[in-house]
Amino acid sequence: GAGVSQSPRYKVAKRGQDVALRCDPISGHVSLFWYQQALGQGPEFLTYFQNEAQLDKSGLPSDRFFAERPEGSVSTLKIQRTQQEDSAVYLCASSLRASGNTDTQYFGPGTRLTVL
Amino acid sequence: GENVEQHPSTLSVQEGDSAVIKCTYSDSASNYFPWYKQELGKGPQLIIDIRSNVGEKKDQRIAVTLNKTAKHFSLHITETQPEDSAVYFCAASSPDKLIFGTGTRLQVFP
Repeated sequence: GAGVSQSPRYKVAKRGQDVALRCDPISGHVSLFWYQQALGQGPEFLTYFQNEAQLDKSGLPSDRFFAERPEGSVSTLKIQRTQQEDSAVYLCASSLRASGNTDTQYFGPGTRLTVL
Repeated sequence: GENVEQHPSTLSVQEGDSAVIKCTYSDSASNYFPWYKQELGKGPQLIIDIRSNVGEKKDQRIAVTLNKTAKHFSLHITETQPEDSAVYFCAASSPDKLIFGTGTRLQVFP
């Protein structure tokens, strides 16, 4: 079956532009996670949704980062006024149950964001 | 909060040899420990996981061991093949998210 999909796969933005990154989780998955992966590093948690509720946004680096999942399926990560330090791969993951962290998380291919 | 350390950062082995990657974690409340394989340009793919109620789990050539007392867990790959070459990440659960190690780049030479 279809896995987690993300779009676009690559995004180049000029400093100061706003960007929107989309995640389509596996159908029926309750939990959705966003992670940021800098070059040569492990993924770092940004935020977590259970259905449409954003239960944890403690990893968002600043108020320029905003995520939503209005209907409990597709999620969008928005970054306003992008800066060079925002350059990274943004990974989305979903899991079947509401237990979140102890359930298998399936990752998408990521969106590579480059801010010039 | 949880902190996960992973060693080594790079590992080169001959095809057919074994590879071992080790991780330590700090939060004794963590109870789920997955291992992911990431190939260039792709997202992490789960290869094996272990929960705190068991000490070892095996799946064909891959095994994971967990020592909760010492707060460390290890990935063992036997009979390595060139297609095992990738970056491997360990992770530990923290209430509602995974905390990842910094990764191990495994190279298997034919």
